[in-house]
Order: sequence, then structure tokens, then C-alpha cells
Amino acid sequence: SQQGEEDPQALSIQEGENATMNCSYKTSINNLQWYRQNSGRGLVHLILIRSNEREKHSGRLRVTLDTSKKSSSLLITASRAADTASYFCATDANRGGKLIFGQGTELSVKP
Amino acid sequence: GAGVSQSPSNKVTEKGKDVELRCDPISGHTALYWYRQSLGQGLEFLIYFQGNSAPDKSGLPSDRFSAERTGGSVSTLTIQRTQQEDSAVYLCASSSSGTGSFEQYFGPGTRLTVT
Repeated sequence: SQQGEEDPQALSIQEGENATMNCSYKTSINNLQWYRQNSGRGLVHLILIRSNEREKHSGRLRVTLDTSKKSSSLLITASRAADTASYFCATDANRGGKLIFGQGTELSVKP
Repeated sequence: GAGVSQSPSNKVTEKGKDVELRCDPISGHTALYWYRQSLGQGLEFLIYFQGNSAPDKSGLPSDRFSAERTGGSVSTLTIQRTQQEDSAVYLCASSSSGTGSFEQYFGPGTRLTVT
């Protein structure tokens, strides 16, 4: 069963706008990761945030984590058409064990 | 350093046949994972190998599914007596979690179609 839930399920924006995706989870975690997937095949790791961190940045990506609410958000600033993909959050409860994935957000960035 | 590779990229098989899917992890990665992705179930964990420890098989959906990892490197996922509901993309990932790095690196997947 999936632990994470993401919203929105789909998001369509114009190039240059910001995109925000949210993820909620159910149990305690060691870290939370965000992945990107193009064309339904391999996933690419974007960013990892540990349970004792509240915010992390990587380029145009900003991730927040609120362990009291069991939620995380991914913000992509100044979006580009090339950011069009599905984005998944995944929780790791055991320091490198299995990942439990959310259902994903399908992002479409229109040029 | 090549990434994670999987073979075959596509497999079509008849219901009831056995299939083997192969995964070559990134060299030096001690942890190897199998997931599957289908329309109805999303991304599901199947099995996880870490070094010489007993694998975590908690995600295998039935006893028709098994996996092994030989020599701490290549892994094979075997599905016996395939059923139509086994149709999915099977994804392999590896990580160097033994060094405290928990990011997983995914292969391109094997798309399995059971007819």
C-alpha cells in the first residue's frame, strides 16, 4: 500500500511560473526524497531532506518538511517546458531501506 | 561509471510462462531494490538487498515472485507462471546506503506485458 499522497494529481502552468507540489505521509520517517520521472520509465533523484531538516534548496528546487504535520512540499521556481514530468515523493523510514512512494503529480509546463 | 542497467527493456510473454528480469547496479553500490509500477497500483516496493544481510522480501506480492543477487552485484527477478496482472514496468535501483547516502539510482525499467 502507498504511504504517500500527493496533490495536486495534475498541474498545468505557463513557463516562468512557479510550481508547488505537496506530499503527505503516514508514519515516522528518516528522510523524504523527491524524484522525477519522464515518459513512465526510470526515475531521477532530485533532492533528499532528512527528518531533522525543515528546508533544503537545490538550484531552482526548494523542499520543505513539516514532520509534525507529516507533510512536504516541492517548489520549482521559474519553471521551464523541460520541467514537464511526473514528480514523486518517497519516504525512507529505515535509513536506506525501501522507499514508499506517493501517487505522483503530473506537471505540464506550457511554453 | 555507468548507471543502473536493466534487461530486457521490453518483454512480452504468454500467461503461464516464467520470466527473468535482470538488473546491473552501479558498481560499488551495496544496496539493490526492485519496484514495479502499474497504472492501478502506482510505484510499489518489491524486494531489497543490502550487502550480505537477508533480503527484505516484504513487498513481493505472491510466492510466484522471487529474486536473487549473485556475488553482491547483479540481480535477477523471476516471475513464475505469469498472470495478466503482472503486467507492469519493473524498476531496479541501487544505492550506497552503507556509506550513509540514501539516494536511490534507478534503471530505465523493464516493461513486462503478459498476454
